[in-house]
Amino acid sequence: DTGVSQDPRHKITKRGQNVTFRCDPISEHNRLYWYRQTLGQGPEFLTYFQNEAQLEKSRLLSDRFSAERPKGSFSTLEIQRTEQGDSAMYLCASSRLAPFRDRLGPLSYEQYFGPGTRLTVT
Amino acid sequence: DQQVKQNSPSLSVQEGRISILNCDYTNSMFDYFLWYKKYPAEGPTFLISISSIKDKNEDGRFTVFLNKSAKHLSLHIVPSQPGDSAVYFCAATSNSGNTPLVFGKGTRLSVIA
Repeated sequence: DTGVSQDPRHKITKRGQNVTFRCDPISEHNRLYWYRQTLGQGPEFLTYFQNEAQLEKSRLLSDRFSAERPKGSFSTLEIQRTEQGDSAMYLCASSRLAPFRDRLGPLSYEQYFGPGTRLTVT
Repeated sequence: DQQVKQNSPSLSVQEGRISILNCDYTNSMFDYFLWYKKYPAEGPTFLISISSIKDKNEDGRFTVFLNKSAKHLSLHIVPSQPGDSAVYFCAATSNSGNTPLVFGKGTRLSVIA
């Protein structure tokens, strides 16, 4: 189990530039989530995929944001025409389709997070 | 309006004592609750979870208690260790986990040796 990986770990860009982040989920997980975290806040949901289908987008996800998950494996999050307010930690998480029963029987559901991409817009 | 609230931004506890982190929620549809631990410059790490059909779940030094009538849950860490120092996030989801997580703002725990 290699865990969730994200690339790059840090990105500094000038206002108005486009940036793209990549997330590789845990291989057997069919759900992939993007969250954003700013200082002093908990992670806030942006969008999620089940396999290659994008099932939900938050109101936080403006038209400048787009996410894809071709072939249901890795995902990319693109921000066009970046603004200073986009500066944040972008987190990716993956999970099995919930709920699932483990060998002991009770329902369980967890999302596993990657290390995040820290975006700074100057 | 925040649906998941962690009203204590920080908590200091001496090594070996119990740490109690609290979380309140407002959405009655939430039926699964999770605690995550986060170190600086890292993503959140899953710690422990509880379904609304239970009122307690235990894993080693970590125990989560759920009081549905009060819409309150708490995380107990005993004994606390310096390596437990981190930010702890409470998160909730509904429809048996089929909706995205809603997080609180976190509580920074400092365990003093």
